[in-house]
Amino acid sequence: EVQLLESGGGLVQPGGSLRLSCAASGFTFSDYVMSWVRQAPGKGLEWVSGISGSGVGTHYTDSVTGRFTISRDNSKNTLFLQMSSLRVEDTAVYYCAKDVTRIGGLDHLDHWGQGTLVTVSS
Amino acid sequence: SYVLTQPPSVSVAPGKTARITCGGDNIGSESVHWYQQKPGQAPVLVIFYDSDRPSGIPERISGSNSGNTATLTISRVEAGDEADYYCQVWDSSSDHLVFGGGTKLTVL
Repeated sequence: EVQLLESGGGLVQPGGSLRLSCAASGFTFSDYVMSWVRQAPGKGLEWVSGISGSGVGTHYTDSVTGRFTISRDNSKNTLFLQMSSLRVEDTAVYYCAKDVTRIGGLDHLDHWGQGTLVTVSS
Repeated sequence: SYVLTQPPSVSVAPGKTARITCGGDNIGSESVHWYQQKPGQAPVLVIFYDSDRPSGIPERISGSNSGNTATLTISRVEAGDEADYYCQVWDSSSDHLVFGGGTKLTVL
């Protein structure tokens, strides 16, 4: 059974940093593209970033480019999102999600974690 | 970047058919995927590649895609179908995943 467990959320001041983690199990982690998707309170889903199975290829939505860094440790089956220069508008539940594709591109997300809440506020 | 447009809300009586649309420029040439999200829960994939269902998703839930509109159809609607539904495509020009704004399905 595929399981994705996020951690690392919390309250941070504007301009601060936070590192999210996602522990994966139940599948061969290094074979699959992974993504982070966020959902601001009362709002819809927004794709944030994706990373290839090898970790070489990365993609970001425009609003986080230069501020967020996605990475993975395939030896520990863990996905990360390093967030810096955080803004109030980054406040959201952040979901880790597994893509169906093995090749390296993005496609669609067949398994999701339960999410971790990031609150950016002074 | 590619824009997906969904109605904010759809209401339907139990036992009837709900149709949730997702509009996009020539979306019929794209692969569309649909997610269901119930309050306080993570999204769940319910339709992929326009009309395929993951295991465990009832046959009452189906999808179609043509022209400028993709449609998620839920037949014989039940109270348990009440949720937010999101369409999603891969935008090849930006290499991003794109979600529609979501549609809240209310069962009357």
